[in-house]
Formats: sequence, C-alpha cells, structure tokens
Amino acid sequence: SQTIHQWPATLVQPVGSPLSLECTVEGTSNPNLYWYRQAAGRGLQLLFYSVGIGQISSEVPQNLSASRPQDRQFILSSKKLLLSDSGFYLCAWTSGAGYTFGSGTRLTVV
Amino acid sequence: AQSVTQPDIHITVSEGASLELRCNYSYGATPYLFWYVQSPGQGLQLLLKYFSGDTLVQGIKGFEAEFKRSQSSFNLRKPSVHWSDAAEYFCAVDVNSGYALNFGKGTSLLVTP
Repeated sequence: SQTIHQWPATLVQPVGSPLSLECTVEGTSNPNLYWYRQAAGRGLQLLFYSVGIGQISSEVPQNLSASRPQDRQFILSSKKLLLSDSGFYLCAWTSGAGYTFGSGTRLTVV
Repeated sequence: AQSVTQPDIHITVSEGASLELRCNYSYGATPYLFWYVQSPGQGLQLLLKYFSGDTLVQGIKGFEAEFKRSQSSFNLRKPSVHWSDAAEYFCAVDVNSGYALNFGKGTSLLVTP
C-alpha cells in the first residue's frame, strides 16, 4: 500500500535560521509531489510541485525552495527563515487517481 | 478568475441534525472535485471525489456530495451529524488531472450537543 511520511511534526525555529522539511512516499513510482502551506485562518496554498526528479515548479515567489533528489523524496528548504514562514506545511502526492496528504509539519518561526 | 468558493466560514449544527456544506467553482471545464476533512493539527483526509459519471458521490463516514454542472457546485451533505464530525472541511478542484489541487478557504464545523 502507498504511504506518505512527513517530518518533523513540529518545529520551532528562530528567524534567520535554515529550514529543511522532508517528505517521502512509499509504494508508488513516479508520483507527482506537492508542498502546500496552510496559514492561520486561510486555506491551503500550493507552494511547489514536481512531476519528476529534479523537476520543480514554483507557484508563489517566496523565501522557500524545494528539491526532489530521488523519485519519492521531496524536500522543502529555506536558507533564512522569516516570521511570515510560520504555518502548517503539508506534503502530498498523486499518481492521477486522487491526492494523498502527509500529516503535516507545524512550523513556528520565533 | 479561476477559484473555489466555500461561502460559509463557520457552521454550527446540532448533533443528529442534517448538514450541507457549500462549494462552488469557477473554471472553464468541469474539473475533478474533492472534499477533504481536517481535524485540528492533522493532515487532510479524503472524504470523497468526483471524476465523472454519477453526479451523486458517496464517501466515507456517511458523507455524500452532489455535482451540479449547471450551478458549478459540489455540495457536501450528511443526513445526521455526529459530534466527531466537528472539523475543518475543504473543497478542492483539480483542473488538469494531476497538475495540482486548488482549495477553497474551508468551512469550520461545530457540532453542539
């Protein structure tokens, strides 16, 4: 069966520090992968998506970047966090039949 | 502009009462349609989806949704709400078959005794 793993679950980071969130998918090959952010009181905003290794599309210009070093691994990064980067980050995947989401990472930038 | 609208930010219903959550979309073609539920601090769980065919879709936890092309709507319903249904509900559309999901802003459901 397919599963998606996302970690860490909770993260508190100071302003200006780097960030690395990881997402891995099991049980499928060549999925489309996504990073979404959910800010307080808002819906879900698509940040990045990837249709293959090394292929990253950015939806919103910002302080974040994404990478896909392996077929089932998707990483969200930042060199220097801003207060506005706080939020709930969700990874998701699809192979065309629907989207499955990870359990999310709650990031608080202080 | 392309959008997904959930007109109700908050809804309160009594336990055992019926529920309808509204969702409208604005896209040129009929997209794939989804409803997700999110409990506090959790990820998103798929309730149901519509790709094509029968416009009344059955999902998990006793939920159903009806696609109405003429109204560009995909409303979520449940005949009898349970206290455990209290959560945030998101409508989402996929306009290009796996390109990405576009979400509404969500409806927060409160269930009273």
